[in-house]
Amino acid sequence: NAGVTQTPKFRVLKTGQSMTLLCAQDMNHEYMYWYRQDPGMGLRLIHYSVGEGTTAKGEVPDGYNVSRLKKQNFLLGLESAAPSQTSVYFCASRKTVYEQYFGPGTRLTVT
Amino acid sequence: TQLLEQSPQFLSIQEGENLTVYCNSSSVFSSLQWYRQEPGEGPVLLVTVVTGGEVKKLKRLTFQFGDARKDSSLHITAAQPGDTGLYLCAGVRGSQGNLIFGKGTKLSVKP
Repeated sequence: NAGVTQTPKFRVLKTGQSMTLLCAQDMNHEYMYWYRQDPGMGLRLIHYSVGEGTTAKGEVPDGYNVSRLKKQNFLLGLESAAPSQTSVYFCASRKTVYEQYFGPGTRLTVT
Repeated sequence: TQLLEQSPQFLSIQEGENLTVYCNSSSVFSSLQWYRQEPGEGPVLLVTVVTGGEVKKLKRLTFQFGDARKDSSLHITAAQPGDTGLYLCAGVRGSQGNLIFGKGTKLSVKP
């Protein structure tokens, strides 16, 4: 049981480049989330999904897109990366409202 | 506006000391979760408190949810170097049960 996995673990982009972060969970959870964590800012919700084929905006959605084509996968896309998107990105999933399981994170640097 | 205020932001203590971390808000939460995060890893759930006034114990860690469900505290007895990490509180709000995170308390326990 791998839990929540994220790929890649590290990535460096130049301004204007695009990329996709992949999150996978093997716990059959309906809800999945993408957060970003910045120094002194805590974790902020970017987008989330309440089930296969659904997505919704969180607190800081601008500049990001997501897709949930399969229940176990949640993709986060950056179409045109900006230095302000330098951050650590975490994916999470949950079965009940009382707990979330987080992946190990992706450290993204945009130069 | 930060909905959840954590204090202190940083805490450096010697092994064997006791400490308390606070998580305060002017908003009511249906439940509140505490996570611990180690460098380079994702947050890991420690406990969820649901009922106002609830107290939960996890070995040397004691968690309390305020009577009005607006605040919570984490008390560690006889801290050990293994307790070192970032402690995050997160409140559950809204119909989807999304989490609002505090900025965290960075704890360092020196041997």
